Amino acid sequence: DGGITQSPKYLFRKEGQNVTLSCEQNLNHDAMYWYRQDPGQGLRLIYYSQIVNDFQKGDIAEGYSVSREKKESFPLTVTSAQKNPTAFYLCASRVFGQPQHFGDGTRLSIL
Amino acid sequence: QQQVKQSPQSLIVQKGGISIINCAYENTAFDYFPWYQQFPGKGPALLIAIRPDVSEKKEGRFTISFNKSAKQFSLHIMDSQPGDSATYFCAATLNSGNTPLVFGKGTRLSVIA
Repeated sequence: DGGITQSPKYLFRKEGQNVTLSCEQNLNHDAMYWYRQDPGQGLRLIYYSQIVNDFQKGDIAEGYSVSREKKESFPLTVTSAQKNPTAFYLCASRVFGQPQHFGDGTRLSIL
Repeated sequence: QQQVKQSPQSLIVQKGGISIINCAYENTAFDYFPWYQQFPGKGPALLIAIRPDVSEKKEGRFTISFNKSAKQFSLHIMDSQPGDSATYFCAATLNSGNTPLVFGKGTRLSVIA
C-alpha cells in the first residue's frame, strides 16, 4: 500500500534538545514538503525538496533543518533554536502535475 | 503576494443543509486550486480540485465554483452530514513543477443533527 509514513506520532522535547521527525514515502514522488500546523494558522511551509540532495527554505525555516539523501526520505530536525516548537508537523509529497499527499503527522510537545 | 484568504473561520450547519466556504487568492499565476479535508489527528486529504479553465467542478455532494476575474473560489457541500464535520483548507499553487501549495487558514465545519 503506497503512502507517506510519519514517525513518531507523538514526540516530546526537553529544553535545549534537538529532535528529528521522520518522513518516508513509497510513492516514488520527487518532491517532499514539511508543514507546521498551529490552531487557527493553517499550514505553514517549513522546508521543501524537489530532488535528492537539494532543498529550499519555506516561510518559517528558522530553527529547523532538513536533509534529503534518499528520494523516499525527508527527515526534519527541530533544533534548540526553535523556541516555540509545540505544533502538529505534517509531511507531504508530490509528483509533477499531481496533488500533494500528506502523512498523518507528528505532534511535538515540550516537556 | 502569495496569500490565500479563507472564510469563515468556523461554520455550523444543520444536517441536510448547504455548507459554503470561500477563498480568495492574489497571485494570478496560480493555476491549480485544491480543497483538503482534515479530521482531528490526521493529515489533510485531497477532496476536490479545479483548474482555472472551468468555472465549476462537481464530485458527488462537493462542488467547487471558480471565478477567475474575481480571483475567488468556493466549496459547496450539499446535503451536509455529521460525517462532514472536519476542518477544510483551500489551497493554490502553480501546477507546473512541484511548487508548494499555499494554504488558507482553514474552516472548522460542524454539522449538527
